Amino acid sequence: DTGVSQNPRHKITKRGQNVTFRCDPISEHNRLYWYRQTLGQGPEFLTYFQNEAQLEKSRLLSDRFSAERPKGSFSTLEIQRTEQGDSAMYLCASSRDFQETQYFGPGTRLLVL
Amino acid sequence: AQKVTQAQTEISVVEKEDVTLDCVYETRDTTYYLFWYKQPPSGELVFLIRRNSFDEQNEISGRYSWNFQKSTSSFNFTITASQVVDSAVYFCALSGALNAGNMLTFGGGTRLMVKP
Repeated sequence: DTGVSQNPRHKITKRGQNVTFRCDPISEHNRLYWYRQTLGQGPEFLTYFQNEAQLEKSRLLSDRFSAERPKGSFSTLEIQRTEQGDSAMYLCASSRDFQETQYFGPGTRLLVL
Repeated sequence: AQKVTQAQTEISVVEKEDVTLDCVYETRDTTYYLFWYKQPPSGELVFLIRRNSFDEQNEISGRYSWNFQKSTSSFNFTITASQVVDSAVYFCALSGALNAGNMLTFGGGTRLMVKP
């Protein structure tokens, strides 16, 4: 199996712009998770999908954030009207199913100027 | 609510020394999983180990070993004969087995620096 991939690896944007990140999970993994990691902290859960259904969202996920997983394959995370506080590493993980180990991608590092 | 505490924010050792990274957790779940991940400078979280709450056997994998003690809610990680390549941030994490989401709760991480 190839691992989880994420694109882009780095993104610099100006405040107020919209950005979109993509995550491709390990093939045949049903679950896909998004986490956010700020400098010097551990990752924090944002949201997860079981196939194409988004089943839970953290309160960290403001209404400027939206995630999709069409057809239960890759996922996108969009941030609208970015703010400097959105600067972080956005990590994607996938697992085969419920209670299975999550494997992480390399992350997308976002810097909002 | 779940919580993971890694009290050591940074550890520095000289190559070939043994080092133990501490992890203490809190959960109300009776069934749960504990994990360790490694995050090298490249940023990707690399899975190291998963234990379930019913299995308190210690585990050894090469130079790595893990000590799970339910009585003290700890899941400590020891690297024997450390090497420069072990330099990274290490995260301990917890997920409740009965939580449908299975999302991970991470500690703040311990930065390990191994000097030659």
